Amino acid sequence: DAGVIQSPRHEVTEMGQEVTLRCKPISGHNSLFWYRQTMMRGLELLIYFNNNVPIDDSGMPEDRFSAKMPNASFSTLKIQPSEPRDSAVYFCASSLGGLLAGEDDENNEQFFGPGTRLTVL
Amino acid sequence: AQSVTQLGSHVSVSEGALVLLRCNYSSSVPPYLFWYVQYPNQGLQLLLKYTSAATLVKGINGFEAEFKKSETSFHLTKPSAHMSDAAEYFCAVIRDSNYQLIWGAGTKLIIKP
Repeated sequence: DAGVIQSPRHEVTEMGQEVTLRCKPISGHNSLFWYRQTMMRGLELLIYFNNNVPIDDSGMPEDRFSAKMPNASFSTLKIQPSEPRDSAVYFCASSLGGLLAGEDDENNEQFFGPGTRLTVL
Repeated sequence: AQSVTQLGSHVSVSEGALVLLRCNYSSSVPPYLFWYVQYPNQGLQLLLKYTSAATLVKGINGFEAEFKKSETSFHLTKPSAHMSDAAEYFCAVIRDSNYQLIWGAGTKLIIKP
């Protein structure tokens, strides 16, 4: 398996522009996570999907951020309009596990993609 | 509520010396605990995980961690540091009822030649 795939790897855009980040999870994984990493705030969970359904989006900073998972093999994170403070590395991760802790231990490892480095000028 | 505390944002050791990265957790239920490593400009990679099968967990690259319930700790160790171990290390615990990870702030490991 190729692992979690993210595109683009780098994105430079101007303030006010729309940005779309893409993620392809590992085939067969039921859960997908979007994270943001900055020097100031560290690693933050933005949103978590299980079986394509958003379960917890409490980490999404504001309405400018939206995420979708139209099918089990694809997810997008969109920022519209983008702002300089959105500059960060955005990671997508997937895991085999579902909603219940205590299920098969092998299911709860999260596999991370290489990340998208976003710079908003 | 669960939480994770990593003591020390930066740890510096000499090549060949013992590596000790500290992680303390709080959890109301038996936890699943993880250590992830992030090399520069890369994503996070699982080093090892504790799932109650054994208190001493061996991971990749010679790392291991010991779960100590009495101390609510899950410290990461390696007997002899190598230059290639320079990275940021994150401790994490599974949230109560789903697969969300609660992350520590991370510890950057610096290896001195």
